[in-house]
Amino acid sequence: GESVGLHLPTLSVQEGDNSIINCAYSNSASDYFIWYKQESGKGPQFIIDIRSNMDKRQGQRVTVLLNKTVKHLSLQIAATQPGDSAVYFCAETDFGNEKLTFGTGTRLTIIP
Amino acid sequence: EAGVAQSPRYKIIEKRQSVAFWCNPISGHATLYWYQQILGQGPKLLIQFQNNGVVDDSQLPKDRFSAERLKGVDSTLKIQPAKLEDSAVYLCASSSNLASRETQYFGPGTRLLVL
Repeated sequence: GESVGLHLPTLSVQEGDNSIINCAYSNSASDYFIWYKQESGKGPQFIIDIRSNMDKRQGQRVTVLLNKTVKHLSLQIAATQPGDSAVYFCAETDFGNEKLTFGTGTRLTIIP
Repeated sequence: EAGVAQSPRYKIIEKRQSVAFWCNPISGHATLYWYQQILGQGPKLLIQFQNNGVVDDSQLPKDRFSAERLKGVDSTLKIQPAKLEDSAVYLCASSSNLASRETQYFGPGTRLLVL
């Protein structure tokens, strides 16, 4: 039978447009969040992180938004490029646990 | 700076056989992690080392999985005997120290297929 895990959420975006990838977390004690990018055949690569005392953090072409009230995290990628095509994972941890817990991931496809 | 190295990149074995994976972390990184990533899912931590000591192995199936980091640098992960459900990518990561706020750098992974 099919594995539930094969059904990754997918997002297709036209090259040059902005994309938003969402992540819900369940642990209200989580206080540190990271977005990773994983290209085919490679390990996850750090993109950007945010601590729970912030609600927004910007990097180069990427912005992470954190809404602790609804336990929601999003990654915004501006002016998408073909090289942005990958699976994006959010990860969380809480102080004292010191262990990353990864979400399921979202597959982003950039349409040329 | 050289990244995390892993070998082999691919391995196909039959169930009940044994297999071993090798990881060389980034030079100077004290903390080393092994993750299992099943197709379509996020990585799941199996074991975490600080130098040559185990920090967390709570999610390691110890009846068949073992890992060591004898000299606090390279690490090996072994599965004996393998089951069909062990088919996955095994990722090694390292960070400069134990705190989770330290960025983890991942290797390319070893893709294991158990037939």
